[in-house]
Amino acid sequence: AQSVTQPDIHITVSEGASLELRCNYSYGATPYLFWYVQSPGQGLQLLLKYFSGDTLVQGIKGFEAEFKRSQSSFNLRKPSVHWSDAAEYFCAVGTSGTYKYIFGTGTRLKVLA
Amino acid sequence: EAQVTQNPRYLITVTGKKLTVTCSQNMNHEYMSWYRQDPGLGLRQIYYSMNVEVTDKGDVPEGYKVSRKEKRNFPLILESPSPNQTSLYFCASSPEGDPGNTIYFGEGSWLTVV
Repeated sequence: AQSVTQPDIHITVSEGASLELRCNYSYGATPYLFWYVQSPGQGLQLLLKYFSGDTLVQGIKGFEAEFKRSQSSFNLRKPSVHWSDAAEYFCAVGTSGTYKYIFGTGTRLKVLA
Repeated sequence: EAQVTQNPRYLITVTGKKLTVTCSQNMNHEYMSWYRQDPGLGLRQIYYSMNVEVTDKGDVPEGYKVSRKEKRNFPLILESPSPNQTSLYFCASSPEGDPGNTIYFGEGSWLTVV
């Protein structure tokens, strides 16, 4: 069965430091991969997505993610974190043919001033 | 402005009292779905709809009903709410059911069942 794992429940970084949020998936075919961000009291906003082509994907707010098929991973990165990046981040997989989206359990990011 | 609108945003209700959470989108999207978000479990899909009068179960449909009589609306119905349905609910839409499409989320509805 398809699944998405975000191994880090909480991550704390200092403002200006680099960030990497991990995401691993289990899916038989090439997946559609997404990263969403949820700010407090808000819905989810798409940061970036991948389904083919260049494995390094650029998104909004300075985020990028790299698809690594051999590791079944789609890690999210940002070179320099801003205090406004404090939020919860969700990795998700879209599964063709079933029209379902599977979300990870989320990683809550705290940014220290 | 393109948006997905849910109502109510916050609700406290009692066990067994039927309630409906409305969802409306103004983007002419064909695909709509409902999720619930619980701590440590992430978002889980309750129901989805590929188009008018076409709905299907997600991963956690028990205790919920939906209908899609108009393209823009996709209400979530709890016929007899129970405390284990206390959760944060999100409605979402996308242009089609193709999983490569971006999903647009509403702001969420906090539901407490006592």
